[in-house]
Amino acid sequence: GAVVSQHPSRVICKSGTSVKIECRSLDFQATTMFWYRQFPKKSLMLMATSNEGSKATYEQGVEKDKFLINHASLTLSTLTVTSAHPEDSSFYICSARVPVGREYQETQYFGPGTRLLVL
Amino acid sequence: AQSVSQHNHHVILSEAASLELGCNYSYGGTVNLFWYVQYPGQHLQLLLKYFSGDPLVKGIKGFEAEFIKSKFSFNLRKPSVQWSDTAEYFCAVTAGNNAGNMLTFGGGTRLMVKP
Repeated sequence: GAVVSQHPSRVICKSGTSVKIECRSLDFQATTMFWYRQFPKKSLMLMATSNEGSKATYEQGVEKDKFLINHASLTLSTLTVTSAHPEDSSFYICSARVPVGREYQETQYFGPGTRLLVL
Repeated sequence: AQSVSQHNHHVILSEAASLELGCNYSYGGTVNLFWYVQYPGQHLQLLLKYFSGDPLVKGIKGFEAEFIKSKFSFNLRKPSVQWSDTAEYFCAVTAGNNAGNMLTFGGGTRLMVKP
């Protein structure tokens, strides 16, 4: 299967600072990546769809100015949590969709996640 | 918009027991169906998927799932579980008309297998 990496795996920051999380597709080019948030003992909640070369599409209730997404290349999408607050503490997971034409198209492959703790 | 329900939130089984995890979805059109597994401390991994064809899909590690269109279900099964199957299992759906390929997840089922 396709490999997706995330960096950092864990970050602790002070309230008010900004944190950038990177998501990379390692062995394929991903025109579309997704950002999810997973709350403790709950399922994944889609935050936004990141499209290479264009603006991200945010889900209802997700503040676009708070969670900045940049998909500058076909292998990298970044999520920046701006002016982080303790309630932003969570597990953030990205996924990448294998492009059409690959054997396992239409399937999303997930990164290992980034645990953010805002003090 | 589609939605996914997993009715079993927690399941506890002994090793060698058979497993069936329920998944029901609501969507009027064609769907693609997935089961993902998240082992403790690890990231989501694809177990199996259904796009079309044979409704009985076989995945990795001895898992299989059956798509029953009339019941809007895609239940996950394994005839004999092992301790190493302890994990959280997520059923997920995308609309088959390629509408953005947004994955909608069920709430997850936490499986504990006792040795």
